[in-house]
Amino acid sequence: DQQVKQNSPSLSVQEGRISILNCDYTNSMFDYFLWYKKYPAEGPTFLISISSIKDKNEDGRFTVFLNKSAKHLSLHIVPSQPGDSAVYFCAASEGSNYKLTFGKGTLLTVNP
Amino acid sequence: EPEVTQTPSHQVTQMGQEVILRCVPISNHLYFYWYRQILGQKVEFLVSFYNNEISEKSEIFDDQFSVERPDGSNFTLKIRSTKLEDSAMYFCASTGGVSEKLFFGSGTQLSVL
Repeated sequence: DQQVKQNSPSLSVQEGRISILNCDYTNSMFDYFLWYKKYPAEGPTFLISISSIKDKNEDGRFTVFLNKSAKHLSLHIVPSQPGDSAVYFCAASEGSNYKLTFGKGTLLTVNP
Repeated sequence: EPEVTQTPSHQVTQMGQEVILRCVPISNHLYFYWYRQILGQKVEFLVSFYNNEISEKSEIFDDQFSVERPDGSNFTLKIRSTKLEDSAMYFCASTGGVSEKLFFGSGTQLSVL
């Protein structure tokens, strides 16, 4: 079951630069998308979400872009900070009902 | 920030034994969820619970699994007869409404030997 795919298992960036995390989905019924961050020994923490009626949502240093025709979304973190180092999960659902389908995650490392 | 609390953090059990994983959702939240993550795999939805009944469940959530809200504060996941493949990190989550944030607990690592 690969309905939500994060093809990069890891990403390393320098502090202050932009981090771009990518996610692709195959289920055209998905209309609500979320990004979660996870530190070791903790549960996922909500970062930002976007519904399919939008193509961009911004919250501070975090911006999510949605390209429905390409079934692709991305998370931009600007500027990246060492504390952003974590695993980032993309998740999707049909409606905002929290029956979420997750990607496998991307380990982001921000180097000082 | 309010927290979802899960106990125990680690649980080791023998195959075939019953296990109960406990969660205290954030007070005044109404929607409750269990997810799990097998090592190296994705986080997977198990079940959602609202108004004292299951709203949705996945194919994973078979007859060996059950959930309960025994009082006003706890939300439990019971596995009746554990199998080796039930070994995973189990996450409880809660929200006040589907338009609000979903908060996850830190998880219970279940090891079935």
